[in-house]
Amino acid sequence: QQPVQSPQAVILREGEDAVINCSSSKALYSVHWYRQKHGEAPVFLMILLKGGEQKGHDKISASFNEKKQQSSLYLTASQLSYSGTYFCGTEKGSARQLTFGSGTQLTVLP
Amino acid sequence: EAGVVQSPRYKIIEKKQPVAFWCNPISGHNTLYWYRQNLGQGPELLIRYENEEAVDDSQLPKDRFSAERLKGVDSTLKIQPAELGDSAVYLCASSYTGYGYTFGSGTRLTVV
Repeated sequence: QQPVQSPQAVILREGEDAVINCSSSKALYSVHWYRQKHGEAPVFLMILLKGGEQKGHDKISASFNEKKQQSSLYLTASQLSYSGTYFCGTEKGSARQLTFGSGTQLTVLP
Repeated sequence: EAGVVQSPRYKIIEKKQPVAFWCNPISGHNTLYWYRQNLGQGPELLIRYENEEAVDDSQLPKDRFSAERLKGVDSTLKIQPAELGDSAVYLCASSYTGYGYTFGSGTRLTVV
C-alpha cells in the first residue's frame, strides 16, 4: 500500500525551513527519502531503520515514529539546489523493496 | 565508482512493437530492481532480483513483460507487444543490504 505524503507541494524562499511528512497504514521496517530533479533519476538522501538507526545526508535530517508509522524530512536553511520532488519509500518487514509515495514538489526561490 | 548504467536513454516505438531495456548495476550490489514511473507519480516496483533470482515479480504484467538477470549481474526488461499505456520512464536500481538504492538515469519510453 502506497505511503501518503504531505504537503503535495511547497514553495519557499532561500534560507527558509520546510518539513515533508510521510505516513503509512502498515508496520514499517524502514523509511527511505529520495530527491528527484526534473528529467533525472531519484537520488538517495536518507534511510531510517526501525530501532532508530539513520544513514544519509549530513545537511538534511529526518525522524521516524515507529508507533505512528510516520516519518518527517526536515530541510533547514533551504538552498536553491534543494528544489525538486521528494519521495518517501517504505519497506515492510524485511521485504527489502520500496513502495514510494506520490511525492512532494519543493520549489526554493531566491 | 560507476553508477547504475541504463540504455537506451530514450525509445520511441509504435504500439504492438517489442522493446528491451538494459541495466548494469553497481558492482557488488546483489539486489536489482526495475521500477516504472509515470509522469507526476512515484516509481512503482515491477520486479526485484536477489542475485539472479527473481524474488518478487507480483507486479510485473506477465502477459507482455519479461525480465532476466543472467549471472546475477546485468538485467534486461522486455515488453512485447507494447501498448500505449506502457509509455513511462523505466528505472533500474541496485542496492546493498541495509543501504539506499542507487537509480540509473532511466529509459523514457514513448509508445505511439
